Amino acid sequence: ETGVTQTPRHLVMGMTNKKSLKCEQHLGHNAMYWYKQSAKKPLELMFVYSLEERVENNSVPSRFSPECPNSSHLFLHLHTLQPEDSALYLCASSQDWGFRETQYFGPGTRLLVL
Amino acid sequence: GENVEQHPSTLSVQEGDSAVIKCTYSDSASNYFPWYKQELGKGPQLIIDIRSNVGEKKDQRIAVTLNKTAKHFSLHITETQPEDSAVYFCAASINTGFQKLVFGTGTRLLVSP
Repeated sequence: ETGVTQTPRHLVMGMTNKKSLKCEQHLGHNAMYWYKQSAKKPLELMFVYSLEERVENNSVPSRFSPECPNSSHLFLHLHTLQPEDSALYLCASSQDWGFRETQYFGPGTRLLVL
Repeated sequence: GENVEQHPSTLSVQEGDSAVIKCTYSDSASNYFPWYKQELGKGPQLIIDIRSNVGEKKDQRIAVTLNKTAKHFSLHITETQPEDSAVYFCAASINTGFQKLVFGTGTRLLVSP
């Protein structure tokens, strides 16, 4: 495996629920990422954290709220989502932040919003 | 703008044949081009990458070529095997004050025995 784990692997939630996705990396990396993967669309970068500081919020709606309590853990808090938010949410990490750094992806959380 | 086009969207080959996937990028300043393989139920994994100062890179059965003038890059897989079946994504780096990768839409490769 890649050294990046994500839980839960599958999640079904109603539009009024609040849930959280968790990512943990065991690689000693300094940068972590959240991506959204929808069918027939390119991977969309949502958030980047470098040394626990948010580097970029890529125009993501406020119903998605990231949290990075330390360099090994990354959360994505979800509230009042819409059906179009249903997708595979991927976490990744890299040694440092930068596009030349190899990103290691977790298996993803498959989210269904009803 | 930020755009990477990838073709074809699906590709079926017989075991032992070669497979070629092509990508075109729009930002002439892009200088890093990775390729990722995503198997069912897993996240994407880097299989090969190329930087703009190199025209070709090879790793066993996999090779990537880059034409900076035409802003094209391609993935070549020779002697395909059933375990090569997966979705392949190309990506290109961009830096608009913020560094990130822009991904293509993916190619589903099916290798039949």
